[in-house]
Amino acid sequence: QKEVEQNSGPLSVPEGAIASLNCTYSDRGSQSFFWYRQYSGKSPELIMSIYSNGDKEDGRFTAQLNKASQYVSLLIRDSQPSDSATYLCAAGFQKLVFGTGTRLLVSP
Amino acid sequence: NAGVTQTPKFQVLKTGQSMTLQCAQDMNHNSMYWYRQDPGMGLRLIYYSASEGTTDKGEVPNGYNVSRLNKREFSLRLESAAPSQTSVYFCASSEQLAPRSEQYFGPGTRLTVT
Repeated sequence: QKEVEQNSGPLSVPEGAIASLNCTYSDRGSQSFFWYRQYSGKSPELIMSIYSNGDKEDGRFTAQLNKASQYVSLLIRDSQPSDSATYLCAAGFQKLVFGTGTRLLVSP
Repeated sequence: NAGVTQTPKFQVLKTGQSMTLQCAQDMNHNSMYWYRQDPGMGLRLIYYSASEGTTDKGEVPNGYNVSRLNKREFSLRLESAAPSQTSVYFCASSEQLAPRSEQYFGPGTRLTVT
């Protein structure tokens, strides 16, 4: 069964620090990777998509993909309390599989 | 531009009752999806529609039926609700069939079956 694994957390970081969220996936054929943010009681919101090895930056967010290691990460620079949420990783080729999410807590 | 909308936002059913969850998107997307989200289980795909006129089963289709009414609308029906169907249901849409393009989610329906 194809899986996407994430540490459930919570990952606690102080305001202004870099938060590093990690995700591994089992389907070596995966071509597409996504990070979603989900606030408590709300729906998932797309943050980043990444399709090729390396880094992709968008504002304070950087997604990193290493297909050889089957590893994708999300870095959040200058973390803010408003970044406190659950972050979902998703990966796939013919089918998209979601991880169960990492809860991030950013303390003022 | 409302994106993906879902109705109702909340629903309580008794075991054996039926109901239909409605979803609509105004992004001219071809593909639409229904997920359920349970604590510790993540998002699980119930049914999807790659394009207007087609529907396919996802990971957990038992107990559900779907209708792709037109390009904009995709409904999910519970014929005889069971307590195991207590969950949060999300509709999503994408330009092409995932994972080839990004999915956008609606606000969700919180369903409780007693």
